[in-house]
Amino acid sequence: KNEVEQSPQNLTAQEGEFITINCSYSVGISALHWLQQHPGGGIVSLFMLSSGKKKHGRLIATINIQEKHSSLHITASHPRDSAVYICAILSGSARQLTFGSGTQLTVLP
Amino acid sequence: EAGVAQSPRYKIIEKRQSVAFWCNPISGHATLYWYQQILGQGPKLLIQFQNNGVVDDSQLPKDRFSAERLKGVDSTLKIQPAKLEDSAVYLCASSDSGGAGEQFFGPGTRLTVL
Repeated sequence: KNEVEQSPQNLTAQEGEFITINCSYSVGISALHWLQQHPGGGIVSLFMLSSGKKKHGRLIATINIQEKHSSLHITASHPRDSAVYICAILSGSARQLTFGSGTQLTVLP
Repeated sequence: EAGVAQSPRYKIIEKRQSVAFWCNPISGHATLYWYQQILGQGPKLLIQFQNNGVVDDSQLPKDRFSAERLKGVDSTLKIQPAKLEDSAVYLCASSDSGGAGEQFFGPGTRLTVL
């Protein structure tokens, strides 16, 4: 079983819809990252969380440490949000990230 | 501030050939990572450097992969000889906080082994 599980694997939405991507993990963590990967490979860090909630523009990330679960929400989705969204955890004393397999989001105009 | 630079962006080789990738991290970042990302999967750490020392290379296939960061700045990753299953995107990332903070990723090198 992977330490990091994301759902759904693929998500297609209409422009303007509210989107939720989920991440569950099975070990204690010191931080959780949400990353965005566009076609072509480059990865951009969106959030780093250790508790609670963070908001940046139309993106909101939440984490529940007790339930070992995090969600990434996109409000008023736009075709430019189409990308792969990856959850990654920093666990225990490790100084390395363990990545989920990503969620491919496609937002249709 | 310049980001993480990688070259080449794309490489196509035949199996059993050799290939090398180059990474220049963000200036001042002591920690450098090489990841392998196979299509449809998340990145997998190959090796982590702290300055010019190796912190973790437990998932590096050492019979064919090697990496160095001689002066604690830029780094090269080599595959010799390449296999079909090495086809992937090779990502370099750097961090200024020893891995506890944000990692900044380069654009990646897409390797195709025929």
